[in-house]
Amino acid sequence: EVQLVQSGVEVKKPGESLRMSCQASGYTFLNYWITWVRQMPGRGLEWMGRIDPGDSSTKYSPSFQDHITISVDKSVSIAYLHWNSLKASDSAVYYCARVTRELLRLERSLDYWGQGTLLIVSS
Amino acid sequence: SYELTQPPSVSVSPGQTAHITCSGDKLGDKYTSWYQQKPGQSPVVVIYQDSKRPSGIPERFSGSNSGNTATLIISGTQPLDEADYYCQAWDDHTVIFGGGTKLTV
Repeated sequence: EVQLVQSGVEVKKPGESLRMSCQASGYTFLNYWITWVRQMPGRGLEWMGRIDPGDSSTKYSPSFQDHITISVDKSVSIAYLHWNSLKASDSAVYYCARVTRELLRLERSLDYWGQGTLLIVSS
Repeated sequence: SYELTQPPSVSVSPGQTAHITCSGDKLGDKYTSWYQQKPGQSPVVVIYQDSKRPSGIPERFSGSNSGNTATLIISGTQPLDEADYYCQAWDDHTVIFGGGTKLTV
């Protein structure tokens, strides 16, 4: 059974750093991109970026690329989302999701999602 | 940058058919996926590649995509279908989500 299990609730202060995780199981981790999605309170889904665990190549949304880093640890099938310096406006629920692997990127969808990690950034 | 536009809300009576639209420039040249999100839960894909249903998704969910508009169709809508629905497409290397539609049954 494919599962993406995310780390728990985080409460941080502005300026602090954070790494949240997404543990994959039930499939070959290297074969599927992992993507991260933000959902601010009462708002819609926003795509942040993705990583190819096979070669660790990344692609970021222009809205997030200067503020986050996505990485993987292949040895333990975990994807990470990292901030060096958090802002109050980073408070949101963050989801990781697996991207299907059709040959044409346009055909791909997000077929499995983690349960979400709530991040609260407050002084 | 590419944008997908959805109506903020759609209302339907139980047993009726709901149509949720998603508009974007030449969207018919891309593939659209649809995600259902209930309060406090993670999104679930209900339609991918415009009209395909993942296993476990009821047959009452269907989709179409042509011109500038993709449509999620829910036939015989049930109260449990009440949720937020998001369309999604790729623009080059970037995932684009629509703003979401709240379906009230």
